[in-house]
Amino acid sequence: QSVLTQPPSASGTPGQRVTVSCSGSSSNIGSNTVNWYQQLPGTAPKLLIYSNHQRPSGVPDRFSGSKSGTSASLAISGLQSEDEADYYCATWDDSLNVWVFGGGTKLTVL
Amino acid sequence: QVQLVESGGGVVQPGRSLRLSCAASGFTFRTYGMHWVRQAPGKGLEWVAVIWYDGSNKYYADSVRGRFTISRDNSKNTLYLQMNSLRAEDTAVYYCATDPDDYFDYWGQGTLVTVSS
Repeated sequence: QSVLTQPPSASGTPGQRVTVSCSGSSSNIGSNTVNWYQQLPGTAPKLLIYSNHQRPSGVPDRFSGSKSGTSASLAISGLQSEDEADYYCATWDDSLNVWVFGGGTKLTVL
Repeated sequence: QVQLVESGGGVVQPGRSLRLSCAASGFTFRTYGMHWVRQAPGKGLEWVAVIWYDGSNKYYADSVRGRFTISRDNSKNTLYLQMNSLRAEDTAVYYCATDPDDYFDYWGQGTLVTVSS
C-alpha cells in the first residue's frame, strides 16, 4: 500500500487531455514539493516535473503539474502515442523521514 | 553529458551480501545528493536510500534499514549500496539517481539483483 495514492490506470485518445492525480497527506504533499516521473516500457524512469510544476529542459510543454493542499496532478494535453507509459508521483514525508512514491498510473493511448 | 552506470547486480542466495556501485560522470558528483531506488519485477518504484553530497547524512526506507548501507567516494565519483542479509523481497532492478534539490534528476539504467536459492 503506497503512501501516495494514484489511480492504477488512465487512458485517452490522441489529441485529448488527460490528468493523473496523486493524493497524500499533510506530512508529505501538504508540506513538500511533488515530482513526477515517466517510465516508458523497459526503460529507466525519467524526471518529468519537479517542484510541483517545473519542467526540466527537453520536456514538452504538453506536460504540466500542479499542487493544491494534499493533492497533486499531472496533466498531459495533446496526447500522443509515445506518451503511453507509467507515471509516478513522489515527495518527501516529514513524519516517516523517507521519500515516498505513488503506486504508479499506467497511461494507455487508445 | 550526465552518465550513471550501475554495476554489481546478480543472483545471490538469501542471507548473503552484495555490493552495488554507481559510477558517475558528466557532472560535479561531490555537489549532488544521491539516491538508490528499486523496482521489483512488474511493480512500482520504491525509494531505498539517500546520501547527502558530502556523506554527512543518510536516510533509509524501513524495509532496508539495518541491512543496507549507502556510501560514496567523492574522489572516485562513485556511489555504493552494501546489501546484507538479502531476502527474496529484495529482488529488483536497482537504480541510482542524482538529487540536485529535492528531486531525482538523472537516473542510471539499473542493475538487476535476484535473491534466490
